[in-house]
Amino acid sequence: ETGVTQTPRHLVMGMTNKKSLKCEQHLGHNAMYWYKQSAKKPLELMFVYSLEERVENNSVPSRFSPECPNSSHLFLHLHTLQPEDSALYLCASSRLTESSYNEQFFGPGTRLTVL
Amino acid sequence: AQKITQTQPGMFVQEKEAVTLDCTYDTSDQSYGLFWYKQPSSGEMIFLIYQGSYDEQNATEGRYSLNFQKARKSANLVISASQLGDSAMYFCAMPRGGTGRRALTFGSGTRLQVQP
Repeated sequence: ETGVTQTPRHLVMGMTNKKSLKCEQHLGHNAMYWYKQSAKKPLELMFVYSLEERVENNSVPSRFSPECPNSSHLFLHLHTLQPEDSALYLCASSRLTESSYNEQFFGPGTRLTVL
Repeated sequence: AQKITQTQPGMFVQEKEAVTLDCTYDTSDQSYGLFWYKQPSSGEMIFLIYQGSYDEQNATEGRYSLNFQKARKSANLVISASQLGDSAMYFCAMPRGGTGRRALTFGSGTRLQVQP
């Protein structure tokens, strides 16, 4: 299997549930990302992991918790979400270099609905 | 901080015609790059084309080309000979730089609809 995969593709959860999104890349990349895409808004960066270091957007609520056990796997743990968290969650990976060329390869996304 | 502006929320084009999708950007970096991605209704972001700020020629990839005007800070995407399968959202993006580890900043996107 190649590229970036995400599971599940669709998720419906209640506000009291705990769930996790999974992302896996088979490209040998050294950086992985979580983006959130809400309706009528640009993609928003949530978290970056590179070389096992996490960099996050300070506006991400603590109900979102990332985990990156190795360079190929990235998780997003969800708990006590709100309806406004309903969105498409996209995972991406890239190979960081010194140049400005940083093509990111995206997974198909997880469509999350919070009831 | 980088900023990407796409002023066309939606565009229509007839099949087989060319279309230009606008993108302007703002950055204080001397060296940077611009990306264009396509997002079909399935959701996956598909890389289309890249332009480096020091590239002397405008980038081309098949039916896609970039009209890069550095002085005007614009990097418009030109799609030639539009096909029905080109109907999708199109996003312009550039690396954030700094502690963002080059995650991308995206514009708000343009929805392109190709009509038969």
